[in-house]
Amino acid sequence: EAGVAQSPRYKIIEKRQSVAFWCNPISGHATLYWYQQILGQGPKLLIQFQNNGVVDDSQLPKDRFSAERLKGVDSTLKIQPAKLEDSAVYLCASSPRDLSTDTQYFGPGTRLTVL
Amino acid sequence: GNSVTQMEGPVTLSEEAFLTINCTYTATGYPSLFWYVQYPGEGLQLLLKATKADDKGSNKGFEATYRKETTSFHLEKGSVQVSDSAVYFCALPIRVTGRRALTFGSGTRLQVQP
Repeated sequence: EAGVAQSPRYKIIEKRQSVAFWCNPISGHATLYWYQQILGQGPKLLIQFQNNGVVDDSQLPKDRFSAERLKGVDSTLKIQPAKLEDSAVYLCASSPRDLSTDTQYFGPGTRLTVL
Repeated sequence: GNSVTQMEGPVTLSEEAFLTINCTYTATGYPSLFWYVQYPGEGLQLLLKATKADDKGSNKGFEATYRKETTSFHLEKGSVQVSDSAVYFCALPIRVTGRRALTFGSGTRLQVQP
């Protein structure tokens, strides 16, 4: 089966510009996650969707970050305006359900550089 | 919330050496524990997991045992290969109930030299 798809793979922007990332999870996976991975650190959750509803967005900087999963399938994460500290890899992951034993399947990530 | 601490890297080993990467956790209850691996330029892949105390997860020659007495889940491999060079992350669910997103350690980079 096809894995989690993300695009673009790389993006370079200047601070105060806006950027959007796209994720298509594995077919049939109800749960979708966006993580931010800063260089040298482990991924940190930004937002979690269950189908097209938000389960947890407590760590999402809502003044500049937004995300949606309108039809319960693919998802878009947007940053507007970007700051230097947003430079990171943005990882999308999906899982079949929302159980503690579930494996999360990760996409290749989008590497964002903010200049 | 739950948290995990893992040893800092990089860890540099010669091919066929024994590998241990330490991971300890703080958690309410007994959540599932995971090891993920990240190869250069790629996303994370599940390496192995254990769902309850005393379970041993294993895959590709790697093993880790869920030890509740020491709250540890150390990763081991008896003979590493150059192809094992990657960053390894220990992880567990953020909470026992409710949202099941993972919290990760800071990662340990493994470099295996021929």
